[in-house]
Amino acid sequence: EDQVTQSPEALRLQEGESSSLNCSYTVSGLRGLFWYRQDPGKGPEFLFTLYSAGEEKEKERLKATLTKKESFLHITAPKPEDSATYLCAVQGSSNTGKLIFGQGTTLQVKP
Amino acid sequence: NAGVTQTPKFRVLKTGQSMTLLCAQDMNHEYMYWYRQDPGMGLRLIHYSVGEGTTAKGEVPDGYNVSRLKKQNFLLGLESAAPSQTSVYFCASTRKQTGVNSPLHFGNGTRLTVT
Repeated sequence: EDQVTQSPEALRLQEGESSSLNCSYTVSGLRGLFWYRQDPGKGPEFLFTLYSAGEEKEKERLKATLTKKESFLHITAPKPEDSATYLCAVQGSSNTGKLIFGQGTTLQVKP
Repeated sequence: NAGVTQTPKFRVLKTGQSMTLLCAQDMNHEYMYWYRQDPGMGLRLIHYSVGEGTTAKGEVPDGYNVSRLKKQNFLLGLESAAPSQTSVYFCASTRKQTGVNSPLHFGNGTRLTVT
């Protein structure tokens, strides 16, 4: 059974304090790993797709990396506007067209 | 450019009442999905559609029905609401099967409370 676990559940950082969010997964035949950002009262917003181990993607202060068992979302010198819940999801070959989501990590960046 | 629009935004139902949630997308996407989001549970797939006139069950389909009579619309129905269906419901769409260059686009959700 495909499964996604995110840690920590919640993370508080000071502005400028870099850190990483973890997404561990088990999936039969990874077709893609997705990162989304969700602001309170809003729907998730797409950030990155990673397809194979060793791949990296960057967007502003965010960098996503992928290994065979987990993905990391690195946040460099975060700002208060980076505060949000970050969701990780996987699509496996046995769940074609469907994503399995983790529970999310809620990030709070204090000025 | 509206993207994915969900109506209503909020709704309170009494146990046993019925209602329909509407999802509309203006991106000509083939695939559409209904998810529910509960604290500590993540997003769970209820039903999905791979094209006009098609529907399929997801992870948690019991107590819900769906219809996709038009490509741009995907309706989620609750025939007899139960307190366990209190949740935030999200609709999403994608151009083709989620994967290469085809991420999900989400609406802003419907907050449903069943008392």
